[in-house]
Amino acid sequence: NAGVMQNPRHLVRRRGQEARLRCSPMKGHSHVYWYRQLPEEGLKFMVYLQKENIIDESGMPKERFSAEFPKEGPSILRIQQVVRGDSAAYFCASSGQGGYFTDTQYFGPGTRLTVL
Amino acid sequence: GENVEQHPSTLSVQEGDSAVIKCTYSDSASNYFPWYKQELGKRPQLIIDIRSNVGEKKDQRIAVTLNKTAKHFSLHITETQPEDSAVYFCAASGGRVSTLTFGKGTMLLVSP
Repeated sequence: NAGVMQNPRHLVRRRGQEARLRCSPMKGHSHVYWYRQLPEEGLKFMVYLQKENIIDESGMPKERFSAEFPKEGPSILRIQQVVRGDSAAYFCASSGQGGYFTDTQYFGPGTRLTVL
Repeated sequence: GENVEQHPSTLSVQEGDSAVIKCTYSDSASNYFPWYKQELGKRPQLIIDIRSNVGEKKDQRIAVTLNKTAKHFSLHITETQPEDSAVYFCAASGGRVSTLTFGKGTMLLVSP
């Protein structure tokens, strides 16, 4: 029973490059959430997606960041033209239900992005 | 939007003692309150959660209490063990959509 999978686990990019982070939810889960964790800080919500839909992107910066969850394949968080301040751990979580009902969210192992 | 405050930021106890971590939330519409444990370099793992229709929930050495009127909830760990050492996060959700708003975390250190 595979849990939430994320890859890559570690990603190093130079300033100005693009970063693509992937998340495969738990089997049977169709709700995906992305959170960012800065060093020694809590987790901050970025975006909530269901298959082919963005439900809530209120926590995502308006520029350079985008997310998708296609009908087939993993959810992808894309950061264009990365800057040093983007260095953080990015976690995704998945749940079986969502919308107005908050189901248990299970977290993946995270992708640690380092921008040089 | 929702705002969650968590105290203390660090907590040191002796093995066998109890530990209490407290959180307050701002949105009275929030109705789901999970607690996550995160070890260094690892993923957050759910340890217990509570919904607003109950005031207390217990699972072995861990319990959570919720006071909806005061908008605060607490995590209680009894008979602490060194393996309980980790960062603990509280969160709140509900009312609008199912996203979680987290507190800043409590680093718990249990000394043998």
